[in-house]
Amino acid sequence: DAKTTQPPSMDCAEGRAANLPCNHSTISGNEYVYWYRQIHSQGPQYIIHGLKNNETNEMASLIITEDRKSSTLILPHATLRDTAVYYCIVRAEYGNKLVFGAGTILRVKS
Amino acid sequence: NAGVTQTPKFQVLKTGQSMTLQCAQDMNHEYMSWYRQDPGMGLRLIHYSVGAGITDQGEVPNGYNVSRSTTEDFPLRLLSAAPSQTSVYFCASSRFWQRASDTQYFGPGTRLTVL
Repeated sequence: DAKTTQPPSMDCAEGRAANLPCNHSTISGNEYVYWYRQIHSQGPQYIIHGLKNNETNEMASLIITEDRKSSTLILPHATLRDTAVYYCIVRAEYGNKLVFGAGTILRVKS
Repeated sequence: NAGVTQTPKFQVLKTGQSMTLQCAQDMNHEYMSWYRQDPGMGLRLIHYSVGAGITDQGEVPNGYNVSRSTTEDFPLRLLSAAPSQTSVYFCASSRFWQRASDTQYFGPGTRLTVL
């Protein structure tokens, strides 16, 4: 599985968009980009995933660059409850193994 | 659906004791797995199962056993607890084991302390 690089921490003002970057320069053509988050030692929560195209759901948007070497998770209107550790994971096409890195600690401040 | 459930929520053991962490899902998922998370670190895969009767090792399997006699249950057994096994344990499941487009759902975790 391709390795990912994320900033260790970020701050965001409540109500503003939170943009969390992730580098995955060694990603291969059949690997997906997944985002999970973990709120204060709870179980990780699935946010969104994508292969090539940008994706949007009720929680967030995922922007993947054309060369697929990086991506950005966007929380459009961050709230205090979005304070969490966000994990960017690249996952092989076959098999379910998730490899978690250290993630990005997002602090949403009022 | 209850989703993925884990019991107990908290457990304290003495070195050398054995115990079983329970995990169950009611979504008819093929794939189930166990992770551990040490303080300040990401999750590491212990064991996983792609269906009833089939299990395999993950990244850190030593000191743990698993079995999958039913689709719903995937217990994790600590054979002889050691302080190094103090951690938070998460169980996860997904519908299919082969498809990377399938999402995994995590349980609330079991916080284990070994004295």
